Amino acid sequence: AQTVTQSQPEMSVQEAETVTLSCTYDTSENNYYLFWYKQPPSRQMILVIRQEAYKQQNATENRFSVNFQKAAKSFSLKISDSQLGDTAMYFCAFMKVRDDKIIFGKGTRLHILP
Amino acid sequence: KAGVTQTPRYLIKTRGQQVTLSCSPISGHRSVSWYQQTPGQGLQFLFEYFSETQRNKGNFPGRFSGRQFSNSRSEMNVSTLELGDSALYLCASSHQSSTSGGSKFFGPGTRLTVL
Repeated sequence: AQTVTQSQPEMSVQEAETVTLSCTYDTSENNYYLFWYKQPPSRQMILVIRQEAYKQQNATENRFSVNFQKAAKSFSLKISDSQLGDTAMYFCAFMKVRDDKIIFGKGTRLHILP
Repeated sequence: KAGVTQTPRYLIKTRGQQVTLSCSPISGHRSVSWYQQTPGQGLQFLFEYFSETQRNKGNFPGRFSGRQFSNSRSEMNVSTLELGDSALYLCASSHQSSTSGGSKFFGPGTRLTVL
C-alpha cells in the first residue's frame, strides 16, 4: 500500500522568506503522480503543483517549485517570496497512474508572519 | 468555467438519520470522487465515479454509497448516521478517469455535523 508522510506538522516563516515543506512517500509503483494541495482557512482545497513521476524535470508554478527525488521517494515543495496569502494547510498527495484514488499526507500547517 | 459546486455547504443531522450530499463537477469533467476529511483520520478516499459507474471504492462501510447521473453530477448518501460521520466531505472532479492522471479540482465541501 502507498503511504505519504509529512514530517513537519507546523511551520512559521516571515513574509518574503523562502520555505520548504517536506514529503516522503512509499510505493512500489514506477508510474505515478505527486501533488501538493493547499487548504486555506476557507477549507477550499486548491491544487498548487503536480509532478509526473516519469518526468525528471522538477515542476514549477510561479513562486512554487518542487524537488522531486524519485530514488529517495522524496517530494518537497519550495515557496519563494512567501506571502500572507500562503498561510494554509499544505497536503502532499500521491496517485497511481490508471487510478483515481489520491492518498494524502497528514498535512503541514504553514503560517506566514507579517 | 465554473468550479466544482457542492450542496448543501452545511448540514446538521442526528444519529440514525440519513443524508444526501450533492456535487456538480466542472463542465466537461466526467470523473467525480469523494473524500472525507476529519481531524483524526485526515483525508480519506470514499469512492470515484466515471460515466455513471463506480470505478473505485475506499474502505468505508456500506452505509456510505453514491451514484452519478448522466450529466456527471454525483450524489453521496450516508445512512444510519453515527457521531463519527461528522466531517467535511469533499468532492473532486477531473477531466477523465485513470489514464491521463488528470489533476483533480475540489469543491468547497459540505460540513456535516451529526448530533
